[in-house]
Amino acid sequence: DTAVSQTPKYLVTQMGNDKSIKCEQNLGHDTMYWYKQDSKKFLKIMFSYNNKELIINETVPNRFSPKSPDKAHLNLHINSLELGDSAVYFCASSQLGTSGSPPSNEQYFGPGTRLTVT
Amino acid sequence: GENVEQHPSTLSVQEGDSAVIKCTYSDSASNYFPWYKQELGKRPQLIIDIRSNVGEKKDQRIAVTLNKTAKHFSLHITETQPEDSAVYFCAAPASLFSGGYNKLIFGAGTRLAVHP
Repeated sequence: DTAVSQTPKYLVTQMGNDKSIKCEQNLGHDTMYWYKQDSKKFLKIMFSYNNKELIINETVPNRFSPKSPDKAHLNLHINSLELGDSAVYFCASSQLGTSGSPPSNEQYFGPGTRLTVT
Repeated sequence: GENVEQHPSTLSVQEGDSAVIKCTYSDSASNYFPWYKQELGKRPQLIIDIRSNVGEKKDQRIAVTLNKTAKHFSLHITETQPEDSAVYFCAAPASLFSGGYNKLIFGAGTRLAVHP
């Protein structure tokens, strides 16, 4: 029944490692997002995909690479992890209405992945 | 681009009191304003939203008001309860994509504590 799911929920790793976070939504939405929430709770958008096409790419280091194999999945790969990458990463989805169905604008968030880089 | 400012950053009230959180935005073209609630360790969840064709919207104990001229909108929670304790985020859209808003700019959040 989970609408937006992410794995893993927790990720502890050392500096310099490469890691991936996976996201899946079963809402039939056409758009998915990655957000970063830092220790001060500030929510900042990183990437957005619409029907597997990248439509938002904020000023994010190129160590971060999103991939959308289909419109229900959006993964985030991070190379050469740094201490400053420690945060909670949220996946979200919404319906922008690009496939004929009307837009709804509400963004549904996944449970988050708490990444700790040591 | 869109800029959203949110005040206060923390708010402490007694159970039963009202709480008000205010946000201002910069892009006069924005016309969709959601509010999200994030409980400790949980995901942000939409609690109410408003479009620019109305000035106020209510849902039980929560309401949102919008002043387009002044470019600010507010969340009002009446008869607060301990379970209202959470971080609340306002947001405004930054760009329109094929009829929907693909980019939301979030305020910095307000940590609301309701004391029994």
